[in-house]
Amino acid sequence: DAGVIQSPRHEVTEMGQEVTLRCKPISGHNSLFWYRQTMMRGLELLIYFNNNVPIDDSGMPEDRFSAKMPNASFSTLKIQPSEPRDSAVYFCASSMGQGEGGELFFGEGSRLTVL
Amino acid sequence: GNSVTQMEGPVTLSEEAFLTINCTYTATGYPSLFWYVQYPGEGLQLLLKATKADDKGSNKGFEATYRKETTSFHLEKGSVQVSDSAVYFCALISTDSWGKLQFGAGTQVVVTP
Repeated sequence: DAGVIQSPRHEVTEMGQEVTLRCKPISGHNSLFWYRQTMMRGLELLIYFNNNVPIDDSGMPEDRFSAKMPNASFSTLKIQPSEPRDSAVYFCASSMGQGEGGELFFGEGSRLTVL
Repeated sequence: GNSVTQMEGPVTLSEEAFLTINCTYTATGYPSLFWYVQYPGEGLQLLLKATKADDKGSNKGFEATYRKETTSFHLEKGSVQVSDSAVYFCALISTDSWGKLQFGAGTQVVVTP
């Protein structure tokens, strides 16, 4: 079975450009999480969805960040405009139920570099 | 609030050595505890978990016991291999955290031949 699929794997862009990261969760999973990983701050939960509805977006750093989940098989994380401090690895993860079992399945991540 | 504290890395050890990574937590409610592992260039994957006090989680030779009295969940492996080189994350979900995993900072482990 395919795992969580993220694209692009690597993105290099210039400050001020729009960045869109994509995620396809595991089929049948109804919770989806976006994380950001940096050396300085470790793993940060940005937002998570349950049944396509955003449940908690308190981790979204600022208005430049937005996330959508138009259907059960697709989600996007958008940064507009991007800044160098947004450089990080962004992970998408999915789980059954509300994730209360604790087993999240992570994608391989999208490494973003903003110059 | 909930928090997870784990020992800083990197931890460097030789093949077949004994590995311990300390993890302590603070939590409201009744947490479940987890260890995730991240191999280079990959996402995190669940290594083991324990859902109540005195439970022992185990997988791939790794073990961790949920100690409520010391609020700890230390990870151990008796004989590490080079392939165990990775970053290990301790994490928890509590009954009031609504599916939000709280991760520790991660501990890098480097195993040399």
